[in-house]
Order: sequence, then C-alpha cells, then structure tokens
Amino acid sequence: EAQVTQNPRYLITVTGKKLTVTCSQNMNHEYMSWYRQDPGLGLRQIYYSMNVEVTDKGDVPEGYKVSRKEKRNFPLILESPSPNQTSLYFCASSRLAGATDTQYFGPGTRLTVL
Amino acid sequence: QKEVEQDPGPLSVPEGAIVSLNCTYSNSAFQYFMWYRQYSRKGPELLMYTYSSGNKEDGRFTAQVDKSSKYISLFIRDSQPSDSATYLCAMPNAGKSTFGDGTTLTVKP
Repeated sequence: EAQVTQNPRYLITVTGKKLTVTCSQNMNHEYMSWYRQDPGLGLRQIYYSMNVEVTDKGDVPEGYKVSRKEKRNFPLILESPSPNQTSLYFCASSRLAGATDTQYFGPGTRLTVL
Repeated sequence: QKEVEQDPGPLSVPEGAIVSLNCTYSNSAFQYFMWYRQYSRKGPELLMYTYSSGNKEDGRFTAQVDKSSKYISLFIRDSQPSDSATYLCAMPNAGKSTFGDGTTLTVKP
C-alpha cells in the first residue's frame, strides 16, 4: 500500500531532551516536507526537501533540523525541544519536486513538550 | 499580513445545502491552487487542484479561481454529513507550500 508513515504517533517528552520523529514514504517520491499544525495558526511548513541531500527552510524552521540521506526517509530532529514546539506534526511527500503535485500526508505525530 | 487568508468559520449547514469556502492571497507568484480536506485525527488529503483562473468541477465540488482578485473558492453542492471536515486551501510555489488556516465544516443530517 502506498503510504507515508510517521513514528512515533504520540510522544510526551521534557524540555531539552533530544528527539527524532521519523518519516518514510514508499512511493519513490522526489519531494518531502514537514509541517506543524496548531489551533488558530493552521498548517505551517517547517522544512522541505526537493531531492536527496537537498533541504530548504520553510516558514518556521527555528528549533528543527532535518536530513535527507535516502529518498524514502526524511526525519525531523528536535535537538533541544521547548514547550512552544508542542504541536501536531505532519510529514508529506509528492511525486514532483516543485510541490505543485499532490502531497500525500502521513497520519501525524502529536508531540507534547513539558 | 499572511500570504494566504482563509475564511475562518466554523460553518454549520443542513444536509443538502450549498457550501462556499473561500481564500484570498497576496502573492502574485502563486500559480497553483489546491484544496485539501482533513478529517478529524487524520492528515490532509487533496480534494481539488487548479491552475490559472476559471472553474473546475469534480462531482459535487467546484473550485473557482479569480487571479485578478486573488480570490479562490470551493463550492460543495448537495452537501452530505460525510463532507464534515476541515478544508484547507494551499498554494505551492518553488518548493514551499502555504496553507490557509482551514475552515471547519459541519453538515447536519
């Protein structure tokens, strides 16, 4: 089944404890992206990747890191999480590199930072 | 000012009603316009996709783009309870994607 998977789905952590949220797609898509969704603020793009080894900042990259060493994986790293990073996170992928193609979203990761 | 503004809602309509969901944008570089639907506790999924001004119809859904006014709309005819969801407009440009805040629609039987 074609899909985007994220792990973990739920995570409660404490301030400053490094964490990684994994994202994997099995559709051989060029483009991958991370978003966070907050009430009243909508869906905001954190980072995106047009292809392997190519990553760019979205609108809210502060406090996050990403890497794209393989086409299928695009992990989101929070080196020192803070409470303002408590949010619902979505990974997405699309076939074409320009984000003008359909984006397929993962099921989301709900992160709480205490 | 946000690049994409979406009518906030929420909207509550009776089954069978015509629904209009709207977004405005400020960036003239936007050429592609998308509508995503997000059910509760799920990721968004693409509903409709248009390029350039005009209308595009898909079953009960019609997407309308007016580039001169920088205004896009999604119309839902004969709305059903299964249409109850949050609808997000999205505008990709050079790798980045800008989403509206979403409008939550409830269709009551």
